[in-house]
Amino acid sequence: GAVVSQHPSRVICKSGTSVKIECRSLDFQATTMFWYRQFPKQSLMLMATSNEGSKATYEQGVEKDKFLINHASLTLSTLTVTSAHPEDSSFYICSARDRLSSGIYNEQFFGPGTRLTVL
Amino acid sequence: GENVEQHPSTLSVQEGDSAVIKCTYSDSASNYFPWYKQELGKGPQLIIDIRSNVGEKKDQRIAVTLNKTAKHFSLHITETQPEDSAVYFCAASSTSGTYKYIFGTGTRLKVLA
Repeated sequence: GAVVSQHPSRVICKSGTSVKIECRSLDFQATTMFWYRQFPKQSLMLMATSNEGSKATYEQGVEKDKFLINHASLTLSTLTVTSAHPEDSSFYICSARDRLSSGIYNEQFFGPGTRLTVL
Repeated sequence: GENVEQHPSTLSVQEGDSAVIKCTYSDSASNYFPWYKQELGKGPQLIIDIRSNVGEKKDQRIAVTLNKTAKHFSLHITETQPEDSAVYFCAASSTSGTYKYIFGTGTRLKVLA
């Protein structure tokens, strides 16, 4: 089946530093990947849609200069949290859409998530 | 905007009983409805999904029903086991526009042994 990996699985950093999270589709190519943030006991909130070879589309209220997204290949999207602060501590989850999917139904595959803790 | 309501927010059942979680969506263009199980500290795991061209789908103890007219879909778990305890999320999506998933607010299921 389609597998999406994330690296690292958890990261702890100091306030003010930048952190990069990778999302990889392991056995399929993904022209579109999605980044979500999930706070404790809450649902997944879409942050941005990452499109291979073009700029990401950010949801309302998400700072694009703070959450930098790069989708440089068909199997890799990265999310960089710049100048991280304690309020950025969260569970970040990516998903990917298979480039070869039929297009009729929007099936996506989710990664295992990355736990970010900013001290 | 698009919205998915999910009920109940918490659900406790005795082991062996059935559990039902319901979702209602607002976007009539939605045609794909996945359900996810999320355990503590882990990413969401797809447990079953349904496309708009069918009204019901079953996989062993898990089933999903879809009523397109009422814009309702439900998850049914029979013969619940303690390992079914987790948070369950429904989602709705379409291929018109942005390919976004709209998630429900989640249901915390506890199966009591």
